[in-house]
Order: sequence, then structure tokens, then C-alpha cells
Amino acid sequence: NAGVMQNPRHLVRRRGQEARLRCSPMKGHSHVYWYRQLPEEGLKFMVYLQKENIIDESGMPKERFSAEFPKEGPSILRIQQVVRGDSAAYFCASSPQGFNTEAFFGQGTRLTVV
Amino acid sequence: GENVGLHLPTLSVQEGDNSIINCAYSNSASDYFIWYKQESGKGPQFIIDIRSNMDKRQGQRVTVLLNKTVKHLSLQIAATQPGDSAVYFCAEYAGGTSYGKLTFGQGTILTVHP
Repeated sequence: NAGVMQNPRHLVRRRGQEARLRCSPMKGHSHVYWYRQLPEEGLKFMVYLQKENIIDESGMPKERFSAEFPKEGPSILRIQQVVRGDSAAYFCASSPQGFNTEAFFGQGTRLTVV
Repeated sequence: GENVGLHLPTLSVQEGDNSIINCAYSNSASDYFIWYKQESGKGPQFIIDIRSNMDKRQGQRVTVLLNKTVKHLSLQIAATQPGDSAVYFCAEYAGGTSYGKLTFGQGTILTVHP
């Protein structure tokens, strides 16, 4: 049973470009979470999705950031018009149920904005 | 706002010693807690969890203790090994409007000396 798969592992974008981060949850998991981690800090919640639904996006910046989890395919975190402050590690986690259950993380995508 | 924090940012131990990592939380509504281990360049790895109706839970070489009276969580690692060196995070589910959202603490860096 493969774990949570994220790609790419490393992504370099110039300021103003778009970044697309992909996350395939573990088999049988229909709940996906995105977190952001700055160097030497803890993980900060961004968004929680189920298939075709955004359940909680309270941690998402109001502009430039969006997330989706379509019926088919991976979850996508999209950052438009990236700025240097977007440079961070972005982690995806999945769980079989949404509340009070184990959440397993992927290896992350390290975004560098130059 | 409510948050999860750690008392000690760094902990150095000798191989074979027992390690104790502490975590304080302030949200009395939290009812599910997870400890994660994060090695450099990797995603958080699930170690052990505990629900608020329990005081103690044991895994392989690890024990989590929960004291709801003082809102304190600890992770005990027995016979610590160099491979245990990593950053350890506690995380909580707060329930209610925090449905599906894990809140992470700052992290403790554990260094095990051979």
C-alpha cells in the first residue's frame, strides 16, 4: 500500500509564475489536508478537502491560493503569481475519515521562488 | 488564539537513555492528539496517538501520557537510538469548528549521541 504521494519533490518558480503541487492520497483515503511549513517552524494548516468538496479552508490565504480534490485524480494546490514569501515546504496528508483519525503525510514539495 | 506549544525546543541524550518530550496545549476542547517525528527533508511520520478518554497509551518503545487536568502531553522514548534523532511535534484535533484540522506545536529537536 503506497503512502501519500506528492510531486514534484522540488519546484523552483520565478516571481509571478504559477506553482501547481499534486497530492495522491493513500489508497482508500478520501480526506486530504494541505499544510505549509516554513524553515524551523511547525506545520500550519491550510485546507481540508474531501472528494469534490472543500470542507475547511480557514488556513488558506485569501488571494492567489486555491485547492481542489476532483472526483478522479490527485488533489492540487495551486499558487498563482508566486512571491518569495511563498517559499516553503508544502505537505499533504490523508486519512480514511475526517475527524479524529490518523493522518499520514507525504514527503512534501519544497517550493523555492526566485 | 488557542495553540499547542512545547516546553523544550532541544533535547540531547545519550544512546540507550530514555527521552521525554513535553507538550502543553491550551484548548480544553481538544480530544485527540498525535505525535509525529520529522527527519530532515522528510514529511512528518506518525508515531502514536491518544484520545482524551485515555491517560496513557503504549507503542513499540514509545509511550504517550495525557494529563487533561494541566493540559499536558508527553512522549517517552525508551532506550533512545541514534535513529530517533529528529524533530518531534505534538498535534491536536480541537473538534467543533476545527473539524478535520490538526494544530501543530513548535517542535522539539531530539539529538541522540552514540
